[in-house]
Amino acid sequence: GQQLNQSPQSMFIQEGEDVSMNCTSSSIFNTWLWYKQDPGEGPVLLIALYKAGELTSNGRLTAQFGITRKDSFLNISASIPSDVGIYFCAGRISGGSNYKLTFGKGTLLTVNP
Amino acid sequence: EAGVTQSPTHLIKTRGQQATLRCSPISGHTSVYWYQQALGLGLQFLLWYDEGEERNRGNFPPRFSGRQFPNYSSELNVNALELEDSALYLCASSSGQGYTEAFFGQGTRLTVV
Repeated sequence: GQQLNQSPQSMFIQEGEDVSMNCTSSSIFNTWLWYKQDPGEGPVLLIALYKAGELTSNGRLTAQFGITRKDSFLNISASIPSDVGIYFCAGRISGGSNYKLTFGKGTLLTVNP
Repeated sequence: EAGVTQSPTHLIKTRGQQATLRCSPISGHTSVYWYQQALGLGLQFLLWYDEGEERNRGNFPPRFSGRQFPNYSSELNVNALELEDSALYLCASSSGQGYTEAFFGQGTRLTVV
């Protein structure tokens, strides 16, 4: 089955620093999504990517869909304390019965004020 | 507009018992997805229901089952509970066949003792 490798597993940074995390897959996806999960909550969608090479921003967040369709990265610029949480990448091969998402294991981000 | 709601928020069961978890999708959404989030394992796909039918199933034993009702709400049933079933169970909904991205509920924390 599809496997997503997400790295790093955790990051501890100072407020104001930029952050970068990525996901790689053994399979091709035609959709990449990035979610954030706060403690005790469900994941919240941050950015959705639908085309290889696509670069999309959402405020201080920027994500890219890799050209090979097997990877994606998420950058957070000028981090703030409320960026703390677990960030998940997710990939999907759409069509037929394949609308399920395959998730990475997450990157735990800690921001030191 | 109400988001995806799950009940109960917490559930404690003993080994061998059955657990029933409930999910109400966003109004207008016809697809419901169930995921298991065990500690350190990310989100694992369990089931996908659309228009009352099971469309896809993850790699879980048959004692994990569910259904979707005519109003598109859904139940997840876990029979013969095992200690390893302890996890956060997340429900997500989307506007059928992946036409919109999935929005998650806050989850049900199941603890098996």
